[in-house]
Amino acid sequence: SQQGEEDPQALSIQEGENATMNCSYKTSINNLQWYRQNSGRGLVHLILIRSNEREKHSGRLRVTLDTSKKSSSLLITASRAADTASYFCAPGSNYQLIWGAGTKLIIKP
Amino acid sequence: DTAVSQTPKYLVTQMGNDKSIKCEQNLGHDTMYWYKQDSKKFLKIMFSYNNKELIINETVPNRFSPKSPDKAHLNLHINSLELGDSAVYFCASSQARVHNSPLHFGNGTRLTVT
Repeated sequence: SQQGEEDPQALSIQEGENATMNCSYKTSINNLQWYRQNSGRGLVHLILIRSNEREKHSGRLRVTLDTSKKSSSLLITASRAADTASYFCAPGSNYQLIWGAGTKLIIKP
Repeated sequence: DTAVSQTPKYLVTQMGNDKSIKCEQNLGHDTMYWYKQDSKKFLKIMFSYNNKELIINETVPNRFSPKSPDKAHLNLHINSLELGDSAVYFCASSQARVHNSPLHFGNGTRLTVT
């Protein structure tokens, strides 16, 4: 399979804690994107990291990319109840994005 | 509001019927997509259009036919609906045909075939 595979499938943490989600893939990529999907809604783009980048930040989000290990991680710091959602990674080649089934993140108050 | 909008949000229909889902984007993007998300949340691309030209056509039954009257619209018509077609269908758009720019998604159409 060429799809991005998120790990864990589900994650439940207390509000205020950090959440880390991992993504592995098998093909060569130009970039890797992370998206969030709230229940009953479309996916929302979070971060795009290019293959020549190792780390990228956006607010409370930190994404790392290790092309030698074909893996990426998404860290959400100081989690909030509103972060409850499914998170998807999408490794991208020139032609298309390959999606996994996501990590379901639940933030407990 | 600038967005990707698709209608209807819910579609319940019987096997054998024909239905259409409409999608419009006012982001000025050249590329539009149809994705299918199954019950296990896997997201799979079905079609991609760039400036009204079909550029991705994955292995999808020919009962599914996309139509792009202009680059701001990409509609999906489904003939002879089957139970296995039940899923959430997402329309999306992006600035570039090469996947180095973010995708903007609509809120999905939940199709239930009975």
